[in-house]
Amino acid sequence: EAGVTQFPSHSVIEKGQTVTLRCDPISGHDNLYWYRRVMGKEIKFLLHFVKESKQDESGMPNNRFLAERTGGTYSTLKVQPAELEDSGVYFCASSQPPGQGPTGELFFGEGSRLTVL
Amino acid sequence: QQQVKQSPQSLIVQKGGISIINCAYENTAFDYFPWYQQFPGKGPALLIAIRPDVSEKKEGRFTISFNKSAKQFSLHIMDSQPGDSATYFCAASEEYSGAGSYQLTFGKGTKLSVIP
Repeated sequence: EAGVTQFPSHSVIEKGQTVTLRCDPISGHDNLYWYRRVMGKEIKFLLHFVKESKQDESGMPNNRFLAERTGGTYSTLKVQPAELEDSGVYFCASSQPPGQGPTGELFFGEGSRLTVL
Repeated sequence: QQQVKQSPQSLIVQKGGISIINCAYENTAFDYFPWYQQFPGKGPALLIAIRPDVSEKKEGRFTISFNKSAKQFSLHIMDSQPGDSATYFCAASEEYSGAGSYQLTFGKGTKLSVIP
């Protein structure tokens, strides 16, 4: 079974440009999360989808960040325009619906490293 | 405001020794405390987790100790091996929305190096 996949693995862009990160969760996982780790800091929650609906986007830094989840499958996170402080590793995670296994476990992708110059 | 404080930031342990990583939390509503292990270039992976109805959970060489009154929990790695060298994150969460959803609050991570 494929795990959570993220693309690209690394993106280098200039300030003011746009970047779109993609996440494909594990098949059948209704819950999809985006997290971000800025160097040396903790991994911070950005937002959470349940299927195609945004359940919680309280961690989104500002309106330069836009997340979508088409048809409850893959998700994209767009940063437009990118700023220097957006640099970091963006992790996507998914988890099973309740009743289909142990609850609480998040399965993380390998992350997309974003460098804004 | 950091809700989960993790220490130490880095740890060097000799092979066969015990690695101990500590975390403290503030939010008394947290009811799920996982530890994640991350190897370079990989995403964090669940190592072991505990809920506050027990004070200790052991899985192989890994043990979580939980002190609800002190709002602290720790990870102990017995007989540490070079293959355990990784970054370890503690986290805390409360289940919300009743949909099995967990918004994890992470500590800053501990980089463990186990030397032969």
